[in-house]
Amino acid sequence: DAGVIQSPRHEVTEMGQEVTLRCKPISGHDYLFWYRQTMMRGLELLIYFNNNVPIDDSGMPEDRFSAKMPNASFSTLKIQPSEPRDSAVYFCASRGPRASGYTDTQYFGPGTRLTVL
Amino acid sequence: AQSVTQPDIHITVSEGASLELRCNYSYGATPYLFWYVQSPGQGLQLLLKYFSGDTLVQGIKGFEAEFKRSQSSFNLRKPSVHWSDAAEYFCAVGPYNTDKLIFGTGTRLQVFP
Repeated sequence: DAGVIQSPRHEVTEMGQEVTLRCKPISGHDYLFWYRQTMMRGLELLIYFNNNVPIDDSGMPEDRFSAKMPNASFSTLKIQPSEPRDSAVYFCASRGPRASGYTDTQYFGPGTRLTVL
Repeated sequence: AQSVTQPDIHITVSEGASLELRCNYSYGATPYLFWYVQSPGQGLQLLLKYFSGDTLVQGIKGFEAEFKRSQSSFNLRKPSVHWSDAAEYFCAVGPYNTDKLIFGTGTRLQVFP
């Protein structure tokens, strides 16, 4: 099992540019989560999908952020336009189907370190 | 609102010493509880989880955690720390009626030889 795959691992861009982060969840997992990690705010959930449908995007900081999941094996998180305060590590995590109401384990990718100059 | 508190931001121990990382949660019922570890430049890896049953949970890498309902705590322990255990440790709570996890702010563990 390849685990959750994220690309790129590092991204450096200039303020105002569009940034697209990519995630491939573990095969068979039907939940996908996007998180942001910063020193100031810790680990924050931005949005999550179930069966490719966004379920909760209340953590998305503002309209500059958008996320899509066109199929079960691919998701993107886009920032347009990017700002220096968006600099953070962005993680994608996936999880298998819920069984009997349990909150099962989320498996995290290695993250994308984004620097906006 | 549900919350998770990790009171220790940074802990330093000597290799071979015992370790206990604290985690307290605020939730109206017994939630699902997790400990994750994050090595530098890596994603989060699950150490162990508690859903129900035996309150002492064994995990990977020799870690264990004990759920104490009366104290709303889920502390992580290891009897003898190895230098490779240096990392950041996150406690997380999964409320029963949601798919979300709520993470604590993390405890950074430093291990001296």
